[in-house]
Amino acid sequence: GAVVSQHPSWVICKSGTSVKIECRSLDFQATTMFWYRQFPKKSLMLMATSNEGSKATYEQGVEKDKFLINHASLTLSTLTVTSAHPEDSSFYICSANGRTVDTQYFGPGTRLTVL
Amino acid sequence: GENVEQHPSTLSVQEGDSAVIKCTYSDSASNYFPWYKQELGKRPQLIIDIRSNVGEKKDQRIAVTLNKTAKHFSLHITETQPEDSAVYFCAASGARALTFGSGTRLQVQP
Repeated sequence: GAVVSQHPSWVICKSGTSVKIECRSLDFQATTMFWYRQFPKKSLMLMATSNEGSKATYEQGVEKDKFLINHASLTLSTLTVTSAHPEDSSFYICSANGRTVDTQYFGPGTRLTVL
Repeated sequence: GENVEQHPSTLSVQEGDSAVIKCTYSDSASNYFPWYKQELGKRPQLIIDIRSNVGEKKDQRIAVTLNKTAKHFSLHITETQPEDSAVYFCAASGARALTFGSGTRLQVQP
């Protein structure tokens, strides 16, 4: 139980384009999902908290107009990187709370490369 | 907000030895402390967690201890094996969002 999927697993795009990443909880409903970014050999940095049916809460320094988050259902949250630039290249990982309120289960991550 | 510090950043041990990774946190309201193992290019995997009403928890070769007064918690891996080699992250949370430590790269030498 508590399986989280993410799609795509990797994506390469040109600078200036937008990329959408999906995060799904497969066998449970997640009222809250989290989006993290991880640069090589670094820790996971929380970007935003996504709540079903309401606006996401962004961490300080994360541009909400650049990283659009939508959580339209209890099993799906999406992150759209708009007007991507090479410095946005990173490993993006989502997570969702499992059956206990604080345990988080992570998706497999999406490696974004912006050329 | 919460601040989590993790030490050491790298740790090399011989197979069969024990490994200890330590973390400190700043927010006394934090009450949940998970540990994750991450292999290169893969998702973090929850290996053990502890809540603030417990001082120690053990699962086979892995144990975690928590000192609420000092605001630090530790991961102990006994009888290490080469497959334990990975990056380990501690984390702390009080209200859903996790704050991660900087990670420890553990290498177990066969």
